[in-house]
Amino acid sequence: AQKVTQAQTEISVVEKEDVTLDCVYETRDTTYYLFWYKQPPSGELVFLIRRNSFDEQNEISGRYSWNFQKSTSSFNFTITASQVVDSAVYFCALSEAGGSYIPTFGRGTSLIVHP
Amino acid sequence: DAEITQSPRHKITETGRQVTLACHQTWNHNNMFWYRQDLGHGLRLIHYSYGVQDTNKGEVSDGYSVSRSNTEDLPLTLESAASSQTSVYFCASRDRLTDTQYFGPGTRLTVL
Repeated sequence: AQKVTQAQTEISVVEKEDVTLDCVYETRDTTYYLFWYKQPPSGELVFLIRRNSFDEQNEISGRYSWNFQKSTSSFNFTITASQVVDSAVYFCALSEAGGSYIPTFGRGTSLIVHP
Repeated sequence: DAEITQSPRHKITETGRQVTLACHQTWNHNNMFWYRQDLGHGLRLIHYSYGVQDTNKGEVSDGYSVSRSNTEDLPLTLESAASSQTSVYFCASRDRLTDTQYFGPGTRLTVL
């Protein structure tokens, strides 16, 4: 069965600090996808990134970067030079071929960025 | 632009009443999903559908039903609302090409 663990329930940082949100997953499938979603205080769920299991290249998008390591079953998310607008709950998710690609979500990490 | 919408955005109802939450997407996605979000539980899957006339139960389906009569809509019905069903409900549809789910804005339901 697939499982996603976001051990950090809440992280508090001061603006301009770098912060890493951890995501550890469990799956027996060799074909799977990993996702990150952002949920700002307004409540909507915003898709950030998708990574398939055959692509371990790290991704960078502006201040956001993602580190996918199959050896440690992790898909961590780093925000560089955090800003107040980054304050949100961030969810990591996993979908696998054996689970008909229905995603399992972690419980989320609440990031608070103080000015 | 294609989108996914939910209505109502906020709903207050009484215990025992039937409630239907609407979800409409214009992406022409076959796969649609309903989740509920509660503190401490993250997102939990209620029901999902792979296409017209197809419905499937998720991990927390008791007390809920869905129907899929067309591609665009997946209404969620609470047959007899209970206080335990007070939650935020999210609808999502999935792009099969990228296997990515896109979510609606959510419906906050309060059952008194």
